Amino acid sequence: ETGVTQTPRHLVMGMTNKKSLKCEQHLGHNAMYWYKQSAKKPLELMFVYSLEERVENNSVPSRFSPECPNSSHLFLHLHTLQPEDSALYLCASSQGTLYDPLDEQYFGPGTRLTVT
Amino acid sequence: DAKTTQPTSMDCAEGRAANLPCNHSTISGNEYVYWYRQIHSQGPQYIIHGLKNNETNEMASLIITEDRKSSTLILPHATLRDTAVYYCIVRGGYQKVTFGTGTKLQVIP
Repeated sequence: ETGVTQTPRHLVMGMTNKKSLKCEQHLGHNAMYWYKQSAKKPLELMFVYSLEERVENNSVPSRFSPECPNSSHLFLHLHTLQPEDSALYLCASSQGTLYDPLDEQYFGPGTRLTVT
Repeated sequence: DAKTTQPTSMDCAEGRAANLPCNHSTISGNEYVYWYRQIHSQGPQYIIHGLKNNETNEMASLIITEDRKSSTLILPHATLRDTAVYYCIVRGGYQKVTFGTGTKLQVIP
Protein backbone atom coordinates (compact mmCIF):
# COMPACT_ATOMS: atom_id res chain seq x y z
CA GLU A 1 0.00 0.00 0.00
CA THR A 2 1.27 3.48 -0.80
CA GLY A 3 0.66 7.00 0.43
CA VAL A 4 -1.25 7.87 3.57
CA THR A 5 -4.01 5.58 4.77
CA GLN A 6 -6.61 6.16 7.46
CA THR A 7 -8.94 3.77 9.27
CA PRO A 8 -11.79 3.63 9.76
CA ARG A 9 -13.18 5.71 6.90
CA HIS A 10 -16.47 6.25 8.72
CA LEU A 11 -17.20 6.15 12.45
CA VAL A 12 -20.37 6.74 14.44
CA MET A 13 -19.94 6.93 18.19
CA GLY A 14 -21.92 7.94 21.22
CA MET A 15 -20.79 10.65 23.58
CA THR A 16 -19.71 8.14 26.22
CA ASN A 17 -17.73 5.89 23.88
CA LYS A 18 -13.97 5.63 23.50
CA LYS A 19 -12.59 5.10 20.02
CA SER A 20 -9.35 5.61 18.13
CA LEU A 21 -8.52 6.83 14.64
CA LYS A 22 -5.47 5.36 12.94
CA CYS A 23 -3.19 6.86 10.32
CA GLU A 24 -0.30 5.16 8.55
CA GLN A 25 2.11 6.66 6.05
CA HIS A 26 4.16 4.58 3.62
CA LEU A 27 6.27 7.46 2.31
CA GLY A 28 9.20 7.43 4.74
CA HIS A 29 8.24 10.86 6.02
CA ASN A 30 9.34 12.34 9.33
CA ALA A 31 6.38 14.56 10.24
CA MET A 32 2.70 13.72 10.72
CA TYR A 33 -0.33 15.91 11.30
CA TRP A 34 -3.95 15.74 12.44
CA TYR A 35 -6.44 18.21 10.94
CA LYS A 36 -10.14 18.71 11.61
CA GLN A 37 -12.53 19.86 8.90
CA SER A 38 -16.04 20.79 10.00
CA ALA A 39 -18.79 21.38 7.48
CA LYS A 40 -18.15 24.46 5.34
CA LYS A 41 -15.11 25.52 7.40
CA PRO A 42 -11.40 25.63 6.56
CA LEU A 43 -9.11 22.89 7.73
CA GLU A 44 -7.96 23.38 11.32
CA LEU A 45 -4.55 22.08 12.33
CA MET A 46 -4.85 20.06 15.56
CA PHE A 47 -1.53 18.35 16.25
CA VAL A 48 1.88 18.03 14.66
CA TYR A 49 4.50 15.37 15.32
CA SER A 50 8.05 15.63 14.06
CA LEU A 51 10.28 12.58 14.51
CA GLU A 52 7.71 11.17 16.93
CA GLU A 53 7.77 14.25 19.17
CA ARG A 54 4.72 16.45 19.46
CA VAL A 55 5.73 19.93 18.31
CA GLU A 56 2.34 21.58 17.98
CA ASN A 57 -0.93 21.43 19.89
CA ASN A 58 -3.38 24.04 18.70
CA SER A 59 -5.45 24.41 21.88
CA VAL A 60 -7.27 21.17 21.23
CA PRO A 61 -9.61 19.92 24.02
CA SER A 62 -8.23 17.08 26.12
CA ARG A 63 -10.98 14.73 24.90
CA PHE A 64 -8.72 14.38 21.83
CA SER A 65 -5.47 12.59 22.65
CA PRO A 66 -2.84 11.97 19.96
CA GLU A 67 -0.22 9.24 19.98
CA CYS A 68 2.74 8.74 17.65
CA PRO A 69 4.51 5.44 18.46
CA ASN A 70 6.83 5.68 15.44
CA SER A 71 7.32 7.86 12.38
CA SER A 72 4.92 5.76 10.29
CA HIS A 73 1.91 5.64 12.60
CA LEU A 74 -0.29 8.26 14.20
CA PHE A 75 -3.36 7.73 16.34
CA LEU A 76 -6.08 10.03 17.62
CA HIS A 77 -7.78 8.67 20.73
CA LEU A 78 -11.30 9.97 21.30
CA HIS A 79 -13.33 9.95 24.52
CA THR A 80 -16.46 11.71 25.77
CA LEU A 81 -16.87 13.65 22.55
CA GLN A 82 -19.59 16.17 21.85
CA PRO A 83 -21.90 16.35 18.82
CA GLU A 84 -20.01 19.45 17.62
CA ASP A 85 -16.92 17.26 17.26
CA SER A 86 -18.56 15.60 14.25
CA ALA A 87 -16.28 16.35 11.31
CA LEU A 88 -13.86 14.95 8.77
CA TYR A 89 -10.55 14.15 10.49
CA LEU A 90 -7.58 14.22 8.16
CA CYS A 91 -4.10 12.91 8.65
CA ALA A 92 -1.13 14.19 6.66
CA SER A 93 2.59 13.55 6.48
CA SER A 94 5.59 15.42 5.11
CA GLN A 95 9.24 14.71 4.50
CA GLY A 96 10.64 17.45 6.66
CA THR A 97 9.14 19.37 9.49
CA LEU A 98 6.45 21.92 9.99
CA TYR A 99 8.94 24.68 9.42
CA ASP A 100 10.37 23.70 6.06
CA PRO A 101 8.95 25.99 3.38
CA LEU A 102 9.68 23.47 0.64
CA ASP A 103 7.86 20.63 2.30
CA GLU A 104 4.50 19.69 0.81
CA GLN A 105 2.06 17.65 2.84
CA TYR A 106 0.43 14.44 1.65
CA PHE A 107 -3.05 13.81 3.01
CA GLY A 108 -4.98 10.66 3.73
CA PRO A 109 -8.63 10.21 2.69
CA GLY A 110 -9.94 11.14 6.14
CA THR A 111 -12.27 9.61 8.71
CA ARG A 112 -15.83 10.90 8.68
CA LEU A 113 -16.80 11.02 12.38
CA THR A 114 -20.36 11.40 13.62
CA VAL A 115 -20.99 11.85 17.34
CA THR A 116 -24.52 11.04 18.43
CA ASP B 1 1.65 33.75 7.17
CA ALA B 2 0.91 36.24 4.40
CA LYS B 3 -2.81 36.53 3.76
CA THR B 4 -4.28 35.29 0.49
CA THR B 5 -7.47 36.32 -1.27
CA GLN B 6 -9.26 34.04 -3.71
CA PRO B 7 -12.66 34.21 -5.41
CA THR B 8 -15.25 32.11 -3.64
CA SER B 9 -16.27 30.18 -6.75
CA MET B 10 -15.63 29.83 -10.49
CA ASP B 11 -17.06 27.85 -13.38
CA CYS B 12 -15.09 26.44 -16.30
CA ALA B 13 -16.24 24.57 -19.39
CA GLU B 14 -14.86 21.06 -19.78
CA GLY B 15 -11.82 20.99 -22.06
CA ARG B 16 -11.06 24.67 -21.58
CA ALA B 17 -8.27 26.12 -19.47
CA ALA B 18 -9.18 26.96 -15.88
CA ASN B 19 -7.39 30.03 -14.55
CA LEU B 20 -7.61 30.42 -10.80
CA PRO B 21 -6.32 33.73 -9.40
CA CYS B 22 -4.85 34.41 -5.99
CA ASN B 23 -3.81 37.71 -4.45
CA HIS B 24 -1.03 37.76 -1.87
CA SER B 25 0.01 41.40 -1.77
CA THR B 26 1.77 41.11 1.61
CA ILE B 27 3.99 38.20 0.59
CA SER B 28 7.56 38.51 1.79
CA GLY B 29 10.74 37.57 -0.03
CA ASN B 30 11.22 34.15 1.54
CA GLU B 31 7.62 32.95 1.19
CA TYR B 32 6.59 30.37 -1.37
CA VAL B 33 3.22 30.11 -3.10
CA TYR B 34 1.61 26.68 -2.76
CA TRP B 35 -1.56 25.31 -4.33
CA TYR B 36 -3.58 22.37 -3.02
CA ARG B 37 -7.00 21.10 -4.04
CA GLN B 38 -9.65 19.14 -2.20
CA ILE B 39 -12.16 17.02 -4.04
CA HIS B 40 -15.40 16.61 -2.12
CA SER B 41 -14.94 14.72 1.16
CA GLN B 42 -11.37 13.67 0.34
CA GLY B 43 -8.05 14.82 1.74
CA PRO B 44 -6.34 17.82 0.12
CA GLN B 45 -3.92 17.06 -2.70
CA TYR B 46 -0.71 18.97 -3.36
CA ILE B 47 -0.62 20.51 -6.85
CA ILE B 48 2.36 22.81 -7.29
CA HIS B 49 4.48 25.46 -5.62
CA GLY B 50 6.83 28.27 -6.66
CA LEU B 51 8.89 31.18 -5.39
CA LYS B 52 9.18 33.69 -8.22
CA ASN B 53 9.63 31.79 -11.47
CA ASN B 54 6.75 30.22 -13.34
CA GLU B 55 6.43 26.50 -12.69
CA THR B 56 4.82 23.65 -14.60
CA ASN B 57 4.23 20.02 -13.76
CA GLU B 58 1.99 17.25 -15.02
CA MET B 59 -1.03 18.66 -13.22
CA ALA B 60 -0.86 22.42 -13.69
CA SER B 61 1.11 25.59 -14.33
CA LEU B 62 1.76 28.35 -11.81
CA ILE B 63 2.25 31.89 -13.04
CA ILE B 64 3.60 34.36 -10.47
CA THR B 65 3.65 38.07 -11.31
CA GLU B 66 6.97 39.87 -11.32
CA ASP B 67 6.13 41.77 -8.12
CA ARG B 68 4.94 38.44 -6.57
CA LYS B 69 1.77 40.05 -5.30
CA SER B 70 -0.48 37.68 -7.18
CA SER B 71 -0.43 34.34 -8.95
CA THR B 72 -2.59 32.21 -11.21
CA LEU B 73 -2.99 28.46 -11.23
CA ILE B 74 -3.73 27.14 -14.70
CA LEU B 75 -5.31 23.77 -15.41
CA PRO B 76 -4.74 23.58 -19.18
CA HIS B 77 -7.63 21.28 -20.13
CA ALA B 78 -10.14 21.05 -17.31
CA THR B 79 -12.05 17.80 -16.86
CA LEU B 80 -15.03 16.98 -14.67
CA ARG B 81 -12.63 15.35 -12.22
CA ASP B 82 -10.99 18.75 -11.63
CA THR B 83 -14.13 19.96 -9.84
CA ALA B 84 -12.81 20.74 -6.36
CA VAL B 85 -11.94 23.47 -3.88
CA TYR B 86 -8.55 25.00 -4.72
CA TYR B 87 -6.45 26.51 -1.94
CA CYS B 88 -3.71 29.09 -2.47
CA ILE B 89 -1.29 29.26 0.46
CA VAL B 90 1.84 31.29 1.05
CA ARG B 91 4.41 30.13 3.53
CA GLY B 92 8.01 30.63 4.43
CA GLY B 93 10.30 29.05 6.95
CA TYR B 94 9.11 28.56 10.52
CA GLN B 95 5.47 29.01 9.56
CA LYS B 96 2.55 26.65 9.60
CA VAL B 97 0.51 25.74 6.56
CA THR B 98 -2.81 27.56 6.98
CA PHE B 99 -5.71 26.70 4.71
CA GLY B 100 -8.28 29.41 3.94
CA THR B 101 -11.67 28.91 2.34
CA GLY B 102 -10.31 28.52 -1.21
CA THR B 103 -12.04 28.73 -4.61
CA LYS B 104 -14.72 26.21 -5.48
CA LEU B 105 -14.13 25.32 -9.13
CA GLN B 106 -17.06 23.75 -10.96
CA VAL B 107 -16.20 22.18 -14.33
CA ILE B 108 -19.27 22.15 -16.53
CA PRO B 109 -19.86 19.50 -19.25
